[in-house]
Order: sequence, then C-alpha cells, then structure tokens
Amino acid sequence: ETGVTQSPTHLIKTRGQQVTLRCSSQSGHNTVSWYQQALGQGPQFIFQYYREEENGRGNFPPRFSGLQFPNYSSELNVNALELDDSALYLCASSSDLSGANVLTFGAGSRLTVL
Amino acid sequence: QQQVKQSPQSLIVQKGGISIINCAYENTAFDYFPWYQQFPGKGPALLIAIRPDVSEKKEGRFTISFNKSAKQFSLHIMDSQPGDSATYFCAARYNNNDMRFGAGTRLTVKP
Repeated sequence: ETGVTQSPTHLIKTRGQQVTLRCSSQSGHNTVSWYQQALGQGPQFIFQYYREEENGRGNFPPRFSGLQFPNYSSELNVNALELDDSALYLCASSSDLSGANVLTFGAGSRLTVL
Repeated sequence: QQQVKQSPQSLIVQKGGISIINCAYENTAFDYFPWYQQFPGKGPALLIAIRPDVSEKKEGRFTISFNKSAKQFSLHIMDSQPGDSATYFCAARYNNNDMRFGAGTRLTVKP
C-alpha cells in the first residue's frame, strides 16, 4: 500500500509568480485535503476535494485553487504569490467523506517565496 | 482560523516520565478530536483520537482525556521514550472536512 506522495519537495518562487503543487493520494482513498503549515504552527485547512469537486474551503483567498483528477490525485495552484505564502503545503487523503477524520498526510512541499 | 489552543509550546521530559499536553476549544460544533505526531521532514501522522461522547481513550502508552463541559482535552504519554521526541498537534474536526489544528508542542524526551 503506497502512502501519499507530494511533489516537488522544495521550491523557490518570487512574489507575483504562480505555483502548482501535486499530490498522489494513498491507494483506495478518494478524498484529498490540502493544508498550509507555516513555520512553528499547526496546519491550516485550505480546501478538500471529493469526486473532482471542491467540498469545503477554509479561510483562504480565491488565488488558492485546486483540482482533483479521476485517479484521485490532486493539484494545488497558488497565483500571485505573496511572501506570507512561504510555508509547508501538506496534502492529506482519506477514504470517503465520513472517513475524513482519518487523514493520511504526505511529507509536504516546502515553498519559499522571495 | 485556528480555534484550538494548545499548551505548552515545548516540553522536556526524562525517559520513563509522563508527558502531558493540553488543548482547549470554543466551538461546540467540533465532533472529533485527534492527536497527530510529526517528526522533522515528515507529515503529521494520526496517533490517537476521541469523540466527545467518551471521556477517556487509551491505546498503549497514549491516553486522551476529554472534558466536554470544560471544552478541554489532553494527551498523556506514559513511560515516555526518546523515540517519542516529536511535535504533537491536537486537532478538532469541523463540518466533516475541516480539521482545526493547535499550534503544536515540541516534546523532547531525555535519555
């Protein structure tokens, strides 16, 4: 059973640029959630995708967007990057809506915005 | 957005001692309370979880105590080991999809 894999592991961007982060969910999981973890803080919920549609969103602006594909993998896109977007972005998969309590996290993509 | 307050920020315990981490929440709509363990360079991993209709749950050396009236819950790690050294996050689930995390506690267990 493979876990959640994320790419890239590290990347550096400059203010105003756009970034795409990718996530492959754990085998058998059909729901993907994205979290932002600032240094020294707990993860913050960005949004969740289920059946290729957004199913809940945290307090993040529209320049944070996502996609889920038929194979349940997912992308997080961030436009017009700001310095405060520097963080570890975590993807978590789960088996279904009611199973969203059992989140399996990937190791994250660390984004630095200069 | 974070509506779960966690303390202490850091904790140093001797090997064999008891580690205690506390969390408090305000929103009574939270319906599930997990604890996650995170090692450097890794994502958080579910350690143990409890629902609000239960006052205590024990799994091996890890115990959650839950006080619904006080809106507080805590993690106890018995017989703490150096391998337990990690950052621990309490969390509370909102609306079936939104997990709210505390700010984390960095635990160091000295040999």
